[in-house]
Amino acid sequence: KAGVTQTPRYLIKTRGQQVTLSCSPISGHRSVSWYQQTPGQGLQFLFEYFSETQRNKGNFPGRFSGRQFSNSRSEMNVSTLELGDSALYLCASSLALLTQGETQYFGPGTRLLVL
Amino acid sequence: AQKVTQAQTEISVVEKEDVTLDCVYETRDTTYYLFWYKQPPSGELVFLIRRNSFDEQNEISGRYSWNFQKSTSSFNFTITASQVVDSAVYFCALINNQGGKLIFGQGTELSVKP
Repeated sequence: KAGVTQTPRYLIKTRGQQVTLSCSPISGHRSVSWYQQTPGQGLQFLFEYFSETQRNKGNFPGRFSGRQFSNSRSEMNVSTLELGDSALYLCASSLALLTQGETQYFGPGTRLLVL
Repeated sequence: AQKVTQAQTEISVVEKEDVTLDCVYETRDTTYYLFWYKQPPSGELVFLIRRNSFDEQNEISGRYSWNFQKSTSSFNFTITASQVVDSAVYFCALINNQGGKLIFGQGTELSVKP
């Protein structure tokens, strides 16, 4: 079975621009979550999508948004980029909702650099 | 509030030494799940183990073993006879069925030298 895939793997943007990251979950997985990893803050939960609906959201500003399609693929969008948005963005998929304690499997991540 | 603490920021050992990575968690829920992930330099988080709060049985998988103790809210990870390929950052994480998010510790960077 193919693992979680994320595109692009690397991205360089300038302040004020917006960016869209893509995630394809493991086949059959319906939950997709997004995480931000920075040296200062560590790994932080952004949001979870299940059946095309956002189920839970972390403590991030509204500039961070996402969506999920009927095939469970997900996209994450960050608008009006700030320097502090430079991070590794990780996508994870699981069979069921996080509240059911399902194991999440992670993709390779997208490294975003904001200049 | 939920919290995961990995007090060891960095550990350095010589190959073939045993090493234990500590993880202490906080949650008010009686139903919760604990995880360990490995993050090699490539960046991808690799799943190692999942444990639910009702199963305190220790687990061994090859050179890896986990000690889950609810009495001390700890879920420690031991690597026996460490190898250079074990060098990575290891994360302990927690989900409870109320919070709905995976809470990570700060990670422990393990360096195994030949």
